[in-house]
Amino acid sequence: EPEVTQTPSHQVTQMGQEVILRCVPISNHLYFYWYRQILGQKVEFLVSFYNNEISEKSEIFDDQFSVERPDGSNFTLKIRSTKLEDSAMYFCASSKDREEVYEQYFGPGTRLTVT
Amino acid sequence: AQSVTQLDSHVSVSEGTPVLLRCNYSSSYSPSLFWYVQHPNKGLQLLLKYTSAATLVKGINGFEAEFKKSETSFHLTKPSAHMSDAAEYFCVVSDRQAGTALIFGKGTTLSVSS
Repeated sequence: EPEVTQTPSHQVTQMGQEVILRCVPISNHLYFYWYRQILGQKVEFLVSFYNNEISEKSEIFDDQFSVERPDGSNFTLKIRSTKLEDSAMYFCASSKDREEVYEQYFGPGTRLTVT
Repeated sequence: AQSVTQLDSHVSVSEGTPVLLRCNYSSSYSPSLFWYVQHPNKGLQLLLKYTSAATLVKGINGFEAEFKKSETSFHLTKPSAHMSDAAEYFCVVSDRQAGTALIFGKGTTLSVSS
């Protein structure tokens, strides 16, 4: 069964450093998403991406964040200058098309620890 | 604004007994509702979804949920718990106002004892 994959599973970085989280969505899916979950809190929407551009973003997704689909398979989340409060589990997700846009398939997550 | 309230942060059951995980939602439009499950070190897996068709929705692994508009509820049930059901469960809502974003509840940890 096709699945969303994410690398690395755990990333430790120092405050102020740039970090790139990588995701490979399901191959025939058109919509891509990033969510995050700070320890003990809810899973929160960050951004959705369709047709090579951001379609929606939350208030969390400020200028420090960017997303990119550099090739036909990868989808990345970049945090330009990490802060302590960026420590969280980051989930990538994808959905097939507009008809099934809410049926989102999630990856296992990348745990980001900022020290 | 859309929101989801999961009424129990932790539910403990014995193997073979029924499971009830409670969820209430708030939505201005006709919502789509979901339950996701997360096993340790795994991704979020879609258990079932309601998207304005039948109000009783059947999902994987014997789980089902009933959409009750009058009560704004979408409780998850299973007649007989299995040890492998122990996991974190998330109730999720979305609607046209939220765009494509899913709005998650805080999660309910289900423990199953033998």
